[in-house]
This record gives sequence, C-alpha cells and structure tokens, in this order.
Amino acid sequence: EPEVTQTPSHQVTQMGQEVILRCVPISNHLYFYWYRQILGQKVEFLVSFYNNEISEKSEIFDDQFSVERPDGSNFTLKIRSTKLEDSAMYFCARRGENTEAFFGQGTRLTVV
Amino acid sequence: RKEVEQDPGPFNVPEGATVAFNCTYSNSASQSFFWYRQDCRKEPKLLMSVYSSGNEDGRFTAQLNRASQYISLLIRDSKLSDSATYLCAVTPSGTYKYIFGTGTRLKVLA
Repeated sequence: EPEVTQTPSHQVTQMGQEVILRCVPISNHLYFYWYRQILGQKVEFLVSFYNNEISEKSEIFDDQFSVERPDGSNFTLKIRSTKLEDSAMYFCARRGENTEAFFGQGTRLTVV
Repeated sequence: RKEVEQDPGPFNVPEGATVAFNCTYSNSASQSFFWYRQDCRKEPKLLMSVYSSGNEDGRFTAQLNRASQYISLLIRDSKLSDSATYLCAVTPSGTYKYIFGTGTRLKVLA
C-alpha cells in the first residue's frame, strides 16, 4: 500500500497551460516533498513543505511553481505555464519517523 | 565535485553472484544516508537506511564510511528480481531534503 497517493498517474498538457498535481497522504503527516525525475536523469529535489509552509526549495522551484495544502489533506504542486522541459515524473514523498522518505507512485507529466 | 556520486553501471552479474555498489558524498557533515531501489518508470522504494555501525537486511548489507565519505551496498546471492537501479540518498547537514545520486543500474543474468 502506497504511503501517499498521487493523481493523476499521467497528464498530457499543452505548452503554456497550467497543471496541478495532487498528493494525498494515507496518514496525517506534516512533512512532505516534491521531487521530479526527467527521463534518464536523477531524482531532483524541488521543495519541502512542513506544517503547511514551504520549508526549503531548490533552484528549480522558481516562480512557475507553487505548492499548497488547501484543505489540510491534499498536497498540490502547481506549474503555472508549462514548458517542454517540465516533462518528467513528479514524485510526492513524506518523511518517515526515522527520517527516511517514502514516495508516491508519481505523476508522469508530458508537455507537448 | 557533485554532492552525491554513483557509478551508473550497468553492472551485469550472474545469478547467485555478490555485487557491491559505492556512493560518495561531498558534504562531510551529512547526517542521514539511504539506499533506494527504483524499477523502470516507478517510484524510488526504500531499501534500507544506512547506520554508522553498518546494518544488514537479509541478503543486503549497507555500510557507512564517514572518513572517506562514502556508503556502500552489498547484495549477496543475487536474484533475477534484484535487477533494478539502486539510488543512494543523503541528507546534508542543516537540511531535511534528500539528495540523490544518479543511480547504479544492476542486471542479474540467468
């Protein structure tokens, strides 16, 4: 059983469109992450989110990106104006009790 | 120097072989270390955390060498199902994020 559930599993969008990726934790956790993995490349940190606030973000996480936890449960990553190079797998993860990260199954974003 | 480095492989080994991977990290004050397994187009799955004293889980043994700034993963008696990419992850000091290496691809051959 996944630690977090991500929707959709696959999203195709046109360049310039906005997309929202969703992450639903199974349990009530406070510390979440978004990572992305461009095909054939490494898993890259985007942002961490603790207690409903951004804790840390990478250089990749520019003004095009935003995160929210609008209803206290779902955790979303919004990409405002998608570019071709945003095509990647996007993973949500939660922090475990022993500091490890548990990943969701990912959303494959394809920008055309 | 990259924050976390791994030999990309692939490592092609016969079933039953023992194989070892290393992962070096640049931040000497890094605090947490992990090995993940990733199958093609799937999410990283935690294989094991790496503790200072070393730890073992069945056929898998992980070790940390702080002096030389690397962690290792040893897989004994390789199975076909062990074929995957093995990612190391490090949490640098003063942060709660995980920095991943590029992964080492393992192929276990029948």
